[in-house]
Amino acid sequence: NAGVTQTPKFRILKIGQSMTLQCTQDMNHNYMYWYRQDPGMGLKLIYYSVGAGITDKGEVPNGYNVSRSTTEDFPLRLELAAPSQTSVYFCASSIWGGYTFGSGTRLTVV
Amino acid sequence: GDSVTQMEGPVTLSEEAFLTINCTYTATGYPSLFWYVQYPGEGLQLLLKATKADDKGSNKGFEATYRKETTSFHLEKGSVQVSDSAVYFCALIMNYGGSQGNLIFGKGTKLSVKP
Repeated sequence: NAGVTQTPKFRILKIGQSMTLQCTQDMNHNYMYWYRQDPGMGLKLIYYSVGAGITDKGEVPNGYNVSRSTTEDFPLRLELAAPSQTSVYFCASSIWGGYTFGSGTRLTVV
Repeated sequence: GDSVTQMEGPVTLSEEAFLTINCTYTATGYPSLFWYVQYPGEGLQLLLKATKADDKGSNKGFEATYRKETTSFHLEKGSVQVSDSAVYFCALIMNYGGSQGNLIFGKGTKLSVKP
């Protein structure tokens, strides 16, 4: 089982550039999430989705966008990268409280 | 709003020492409680969970008991190993009848175990 797969694992962006963080799960979970992890701050929810075609904002959505066209995929889009978006990003999927996390994408904006 | 507070780290212990990481929560109802572990360079993995008061979650020698009266879910292990070095996150999910809320995390506690 692949579980939750995130790509890329590392990326360096220049200020103002755009990119998409990919997330795919093969467990047929309806719920999917994007978190960012900053040092000493735990994980903060950016966006989540309860099923294909449905997305909603989490705690820190500014500067990000998401889409959920299929059950499997939940990409996170950064349109105009800023240094404040330097972080480690985790995608997760869940069913009835059982979360599975991807291995993360380490993003640096310079 | 609902929140999780856990003891700040880092925590440094010698091998075979006893571990306690404190976790308390604030919630408007009766959440399910979790401990997640993050090893260096990896994502989060579920360590254990408890879904109702007085439940004890256990895994890999770690234990935590859901205490409604003290709103706590402290993580314990009787004898830590070097391989337990990681960041530990306490978390909760609110249950709303037929649907679930989102996972709410504490800030994490870094544990370092020295040989």
